Amino acid sequence: SQQGEEDPQALSIQEGENATMNCSYKTSINNLQWYRQNSGRGLVHLILIRSNEREKHSGRLRVTLDTSKKSSSLLITASRAADTASYFCATHRTDSWGKLQFGAGTQVVVTP
Amino acid sequence: GAVVSQHPSWVICKSGTSVKIECRSLDFQATTMFWYRQFPKQSLMLMATSNEGSKATYEQGVEKDKFLINHASLTLSTLTVTSAHPEDSSFYICSAPLELFTDTQYFGPGTRLTVL
Repeated sequence: SQQGEEDPQALSIQEGENATMNCSYKTSINNLQWYRQNSGRGLVHLILIRSNEREKHSGRLRVTLDTSKKSSSLLITASRAADTASYFCATHRTDSWGKLQFGAGTQVVVTP
Repeated sequence: GAVVSQHPSWVICKSGTSVKIECRSLDFQATTMFWYRQFPKQSLMLMATSNEGSKATYEQGVEKDKFLINHASLTLSTLTVTSAHPEDSSFYICSAPLELFTDTQYFGPGTRLTVL
């Protein structure tokens, strides 16, 4: 089964609103990453949070990590139409370096 | 940031033909690259690890004879889909870490393969 499960699967909001999505995982991790994918494009790395961190900020992004619950959340504040994309969490597999396991993704649509 | 390119960005081919997809690290050397496949509205699934100078390692369920990987140089990995069939139609994405054993990877823009 996939390492990361995300909810919601889809999120539709208006510009200016905040968007929150969650990711859960099953095994122990060293870090968790969030990526963005615009339709039909590659992935863009957004932020990495290590297992000893609880919260991290980058611009309008805020990521939390709760290792006791094996979950993470990504908050996008003051969303813009350009934030419309799919967002994936990813963790490294423990059996081999570099191999990422992705969550199912959350499709975010921000309407002007 | 580091740049990874893919070529072609999209390709349409007839069933039974072979298609080669290139993945290049443009401004850094990548001894290891990864190939992922993404079906519509689904997540990315790792297919194989491409290793410069040695054989690729494939994930369970991925046929190595069907998806040939060649890591010809420190900046180029190629994925050849042999005898493609419509079920191989997918979005293929490669990634490469800037340095070995670092956590952040850089992804190519992807290649859309459509097999008729």
